[in-house]
Amino acid sequence: AQTVTQSQPEMSVQEAETVTLSCTYDTSESDYYLFWYKQPPSRQMILVIRQEAYKQQNATENRFSVNFQKAAKSFSLKISDSQLGDAAMYFCAYRGQAVTGNQFYFGTGTSLTVIP
Amino acid sequence: KAGVTQTPRYLIKTRGQQVTLSCSPISGHRSVSWYQQTPGQGLQFLFEYFSETQRNKGNFPGRFSGRQFSNSRSEMNVSTLELGDSALYLCASSLVSRITDTQYFGPGTRLTVL
Repeated sequence: AQTVTQSQPEMSVQEAETVTLSCTYDTSESDYYLFWYKQPPSRQMILVIRQEAYKQQNATENRFSVNFQKAAKSFSLKISDSQLGDAAMYFCAYRGQAVTGNQFYFGTGTSLTVIP
Repeated sequence: KAGVTQTPRYLIKTRGQQVTLSCSPISGHRSVSWYQQTPGQGLQFLFEYFSETQRNKGNFPGRFSGRQFSNSRSEMNVSTLELGDSALYLCASSLVSRITDTQYFGPGTRLTVL
């Protein structure tokens, strides 16, 4: 089965600074998608950013960008100019094709604290 | 468009009882997935329904079941509740069930089993 590992249970960052959340995954598939989801204290999961494995260019959404290293099976999330509203649990997720039945696999999450 | 809605938001049950949770997807979405979220295990995939058919199933016992109606609304049922079933149950919908589809999550149902 596919596995997604987030090795940092907790992270903190000063407001306006940059923080990077790590994620590694294990797969034998060549075509898949990777996602970062944010879950604020209100509990509604929100998609932050996604990356198609066949694209070499790293995805970017405003202050959020990823560093996708396909050979290393690494997918980190960089948050620039951190804001108080970025405080949340962040989940890395993998979605593959036939082998995994298209289902999502999530990491255990990283709790991000933003310090004013 | 209205987002994914889940009812009820909070539920308290006792061991041995059964429970039914409901999920209404975003209008036009035909795929609904269910997840169990616990502090130690993170999000665990339960099952996915697409056009009233179960498309995928995670590694959960048969006490966990679900169904989807013709209007894409979905229900999840847990029978013979155990203490370990206490969790946040999240529902997510997507347009269809392609690998490219983004899942949109509901606020969840917090189930407490006493």
